[in-house]
Amino acid sequence: KQEVTQIPAALSVPEGENLVLNCSFTDSAIYNLQWFRQDPGKGLTSLLLIQSSQREQTSGRLNASLDKSSGRSTLYIAASQPGDSATYLCAVPSGGSYIPTFGRGTSLIVHP
Amino acid sequence: KAGVTQTPRYLIKTRGQQVTLSCSPISGHRSVSWYQQTPGQGLQFLFEYFSETQRNKGNFPGRFSGRQFSNSRSEMNVSTLELGDSALYLCASSLGSSFAEAFFGQGTRLTVV
Repeated sequence: KQEVTQIPAALSVPEGENLVLNCSFTDSAIYNLQWFRQDPGKGLTSLLLIQSSQREQTSGRLNASLDKSSGRSTLYIAASQPGDSATYLCAVPSGGSYIPTFGRGTSLIVHP
Repeated sequence: KAGVTQTPRYLIKTRGQQVTLSCSPISGHRSVSWYQQTPGQGLQFLFEYFSETQRNKGNFPGRFSGRQFSNSRSEMNVSTLELGDSALYLCASSLGSSFAEAFFGQGTRLTVV
């Protein structure tokens, strides 16, 4: 059974800092890994998708890396802004299927 | 292009009642999946429908059921509500089977009292 852990659970930083959010998973037989953003009480917005054959993906100030062999992914946020405040979740498919297992998320607050 | 629409946005029900939630996918999308999000368990997969057939099912009791109509709209039903069913219920739609291409709705916040 796939288990996904995200560290830290919460983070509060001043604006402008570079951040690293961590995601680890137990079953490395995955098709891909996806990072999402969730604003309070809202749905999920996909940020980055990394296929199993890729090592990293970039979108603007966001960069996600994937190391399948060690079961880890990191989401790097450069020059954080108050608008980045949200919960960040990672998700990986479980047991060779497309059904996702989610981490519990990292709750990020960026204060001005 | 309209996004995934979930109705209602908020709902309060009494323990023992049943509830039906609705999800209208993005036009052209044939797959709809449902998720439950609680502070205690996080975000968990409930089930997925594709072309009116349930294709995948998570580890939830039989009180949780769903269906999909020919226009791809989907409903999920929870019978005999329990306090622990209080949660944000999210649905997501996609063209095919890949979760990676899914778009999420805003969710329905269900409170059971």
